[in-house]
Amino acid sequence: EAQVTQNPRYLITVTGKKLTVTCSQNMNHEYMSWYRQDPGLGLRQIYYSMNVEVTDKGDVPEGYKVSRKEKRNFPLILESPSPNQTSLYFCASSLPGTSPESEQFFGPGTRLTVL
Amino acid sequence: AQTVTQSQPEMSVQEAETVTLSCTYDTSESDYYLFWYKQPPSRQMILVIRQEAYKQQNATENRFSVNFQKAAKSFSLKISDSQLGDAAMYFCASALNSGGYQKVTFGIGTKLQVIP
Repeated sequence: EAQVTQNPRYLITVTGKKLTVTCSQNMNHEYMSWYRQDPGLGLRQIYYSMNVEVTDKGDVPEGYKVSRKEKRNFPLILESPSPNQTSLYFCASSLPGTSPESEQFFGPGTRLTVL
Repeated sequence: AQTVTQSQPEMSVQEAETVTLSCTYDTSESDYYLFWYKQPPSRQMILVIRQEAYKQQNATENRFSVNFQKAAKSFSLKISDSQLGDAAMYFCASALNSGGYQKVTFGIGTKLQVIP
């Protein structure tokens, strides 16, 4: 089954404790991205990757890091989480371009709470 | 840059009735796509419908259809014969072809309640 998986699905942590949210896709997609969803703000892009070893900042990259060492994986790293990073996080993947075949597939979301 | 505006934070509709969710966008690009995503309580993001900007014909997917007014930069979603399962948050989004990938911008969402 074609899917994007994220782990963990729920995480409660404390300020300053480094954490990683994993994202993996089995569709051989080149393009992957991370979004955060906050009430009243919709989804905002954090980082994206066009292929292995190619990453770039989205609209709200502060406080986050990513890496793309393998095509299927795109982890999101919070080196020193703060309460304002409490949010719902989505990973997405797609083929390049904007054809109908390049529809974005979303993971199930990770609910992060930083105390 | 592109912006997407959803001016209705919440909407409600009686079961079996029709409801229209509004969306406006702003872009200076000519090659772009528009989407409506549904997010039920499970939080999964589900693509409802997609519209290519170069197509004049409005997209339709079963009970879901759009009214795409390119000159007005308007992209509303009409849900016919509303069902209880349609209750969800709906996000309007636009995508630009930016260096070979989709740069997607989302609106803030409209929460749809379906009344039995």
